[in-house]
This record gives sequence, C-alpha cells and structure tokens, in this order.
Amino acid sequence: NAGVTQTPKFQVLKTGQSMTLQCAQDMNHEYMSWYRQDPGMGLRLIHYSVGAGITDQGEVPNGYNVSRSTTEDFPLRLLSAAPSQTSVYFCASSSGQSNQPQHFGDGTRLSIL
Amino acid sequence: AQKVTQAQTEISVVEKEDVTLDCVYETRDTTYYLFWYKQPPSGELVFLIRRNSFDEQNEISGRYSWNFQKSTSSFNFTITASQVVDSAVYFCALSEARWGFQKLVFGTGTRLLVSP
Repeated sequence: NAGVTQTPKFQVLKTGQSMTLQCAQDMNHEYMSWYRQDPGMGLRLIHYSVGAGITDQGEVPNGYNVSRSTTEDFPLRLLSAAPSQTSVYFCASSSGQSNQPQHFGDGTRLSIL
Repeated sequence: AQKVTQAQTEISVVEKEDVTLDCVYETRDTTYYLFWYKQPPSGELVFLIRRNSFDEQNEISGRYSWNFQKSTSSFNFTITASQVVDSAVYFCALSEARWGFQKLVFGTGTRLLVSP
C-alpha cells in the first residue's frame, strides 16, 4: 500500500529558482491538500483540491500554484523560490467526508538559499 | 473563525509517568471534528483519533485516552505510563463540517520528551 507518495524528500534551491513538488495517491481519494510546517506554527493549509480540475486557496497560498489534472496527482509549484518558503511540505488526501482522517505523505524538506 | 490552541510547547516526563496534552479549540459551527496526530522524530504524521462534535463520549485505546468536553471547548489527550517511544510532537486539529470536506486547522503542537 503506497498511500500518499511525495517526491523529492529533500531539496535545496537558490532564491528565484522554480520547482515542482510531486504528490501522488493511490487510494482514489477525491480530496487532496498541501500543507507547510514551520517551527512553532504547526501545519498551515496552502492549497487544496476537491476533485480533478478543481482547486482552491488555503490559508497561505501566495507564491504557490497547483493543478489537478488527474485524481491521483496534485503537484505544488513554486514559481520563484524565496527564503521564506523554506519549510517542510506535506501532501494529504482523504475521502469526501469531513469526518475522515487525512492521510499524509512523508513530507518534503525544502531549503531556499 | 476556527482556531486550535495547544498552550504547552514542550513537556518532559520520565518513563512510566502519566502525561496530559491540552487542546482548546474555537469554532462557530455546531458540527465539527477533532483530531490528534503524532509526529515522531522520523517526521511522518500519524493519525491517532477522530472525535465528532456530537459525541462527547471519552475514548480509551490502550495507554491512550481522550477527554472531550464541549462545555470548555477542550479535547485533551492523556498517555498513561509513558514510554520512550511516545516521544514525539503531537498535534490537535479541527475540521468544520460546513466545508463539506476536510480543511484541517492545526494547533502549534506539543513536543513530548520521555526520558528513561
């Protein structure tokens, strides 16, 4: 059972570079989300998707883009990396009911120099 | 607006001690869901429990127990006879049913250190 798979696990970027964090799930979940985890701030929602072709902003969307062309994949794009985006990024998926727990990937640790 | 407060930043205990992690939440919805997640040193997030707002029954699972009190907007987590393997960061989270899907709001987490 793969669950939620995030790649890469670690990445170092220079300011201004762009990159895509990959997220894939094999549970046929409708809902997928991206969170960032910063020290002392818990996890904060960046973007989410309620199904293929539908995305929306979360609490901290600036500097990030997402798309959802398939049910399985939900990539997160950093258009022009900034040091403030240094964080650990988690992708999550869940079924359509709000009482169901989200399944998290193992995270991507991203450093922006 | 929804908010989750975990006032305890870090707790240190000695093995076999009991420890309670506090969680206080704010929401205007009458239907909502509360969660606890564990983040061990390896970094992944592990789901521990979900509680519905309309079910105030406390729950026990082995050494873990949860106390949900709507009157005080609290959902506290107790570990009985703590073990070194319990060392982790624990997050409390809230989801409001009105969104129709899950938009989790997390607390800032409590780091639990259990020493031998």
